[in-house]
Order: sequence, then C-alpha cells, then structure tokens
Amino acid sequence: NAGVMQNPRHLVRRRGQEARLRCSPVKGHSHVYWYRQLPEEGLKFMVYLQKENIIDESGMPKERFSAEFPKEGPSILRIQQVVRGDSAAYFCASSPKDVGTEAFFGQGTRLTVV
Amino acid sequence: DAKTTQPPSMDCAEGRAANLPCNHSTISGNEYVYWYRQIHSQGPQYIIHGLKNNETNEMASLIITEDRKSSTLILPHATLRDTAVYYCIVRVEYREYGNKLVFGAGTILRVKS
Repeated sequence: NAGVMQNPRHLVRRRGQEARLRCSPVKGHSHVYWYRQLPEEGLKFMVYLQKENIIDESGMPKERFSAEFPKEGPSILRIQQVVRGDSAAYFCASSPKDVGTEAFFGQGTRLTVV
Repeated sequence: DAKTTQPPSMDCAEGRAANLPCNHSTISGNEYVYWYRQIHSQGPQYIIHGLKNNETNEMASLIITEDRKSSTLILPHATLRDTAVYYCIVRVEYREYGNKLVFGAGTILRVKS
C-alpha cells in the first residue's frame, strides 16, 4: 500500500450534500482505479482512469457519481446529493503503465451519510 | 472476463502452510493470475502474480497448473496476522492501456493458534 494516499480517511455528509474523495497515486503511476465496498460486501470496481482520460466507467452509477484524474493533482471521485446507500468504503488504487504489474491500494475513505 | 472460483472460507493452524485454491477454467493465454488480500477492511494488499510459471516471493508462492485452469496460493508458515480475505483475480487487459482488477468474493482464511 505504500504511496497511495487517500483523503479524507473518514467523511461524514448529510443527505443531499456533496462528497469529494481524493486519491494521490504512487509517484509516476498514470493509472488510477476506484472501488467501492459496502459493509460486509466485496470490492466493486467503479472506474478506471488514465491521466485526463476515463478508460472504463462501467461500474459507476449512472447518476450523481463522477470521477476525474487531471494532468496535475489527485484523482477525484465526486458524489453529488449523497444518499444513505452511498455509505461505504471507497478505495483507490494506482498502477504504472506497464501491463502485468501490480496495483497498489490506498487505505480508503469511509463515507458515512447521515 | 475470465471468472474465478474460490472456497468461501478455510481454517489453518498457526505455523502450518496455508494452501488456497482458485479455479479459473476460462482464462485466456495472455491473462495473468493475481492474488491480493484484505485484512480487516484495510486497503487490499498485493501478494503475488503469475502468467504460466510458478512464482515465489517473500510473502508467498504461486503454483499454476500446466493447463492454467487453476492455481494455488501457498503461505508457507501462516501466522495469526495472515487472517484475511484472499482474492484470486484474473486480470482483464486493455490493449495499449493496461489492466483492471475485478474482485470476487474471495476466501476468508482464519489462522488459529
């Protein structure tokens, strides 16, 4: 897990507010992945980004969720108008460009919607 | 996507080898087998990966059958701290871009003293 920084570690939002989750990948990694883990469930893929590009967003809910990975700065997962069902742990991972290399995960952001 | 099948749970005595099986009968020739683990809701931790040959590192060994339809992760001397959910993943590849990891339910390994 060395190097992938997620913040905040814990985030509490009221229903209807926006949540912004940040992920700084390992230095030099150009691929970022976001996963969601609901309580007592497995990790579900959400989105895969390369610098300034969304490669695969097949796991993203159609509404309220968006992700970006700008040329400069961290990757951002944004959830608008949060609902209680959005309460979960959100994990970010990064990997270098090369095929066949491992991905490193951050410690996650635990979002609680009250 | 090639799917994986793992037993839902396993127990192992502390100090003994833990052998975690995984079936991936639909794996393609250029797909890698990866193993990760998640300890108590922490971020998943990479363990090992392989394509055809057996692999070993400081954490574990990976044995892949000759037909590549199954593999076994071996923790040679399990400790209580190895209690975790272990995920066997076949990595989906994108031409020119890299890979994504699709997690299944994994195997809950309980190491007992």
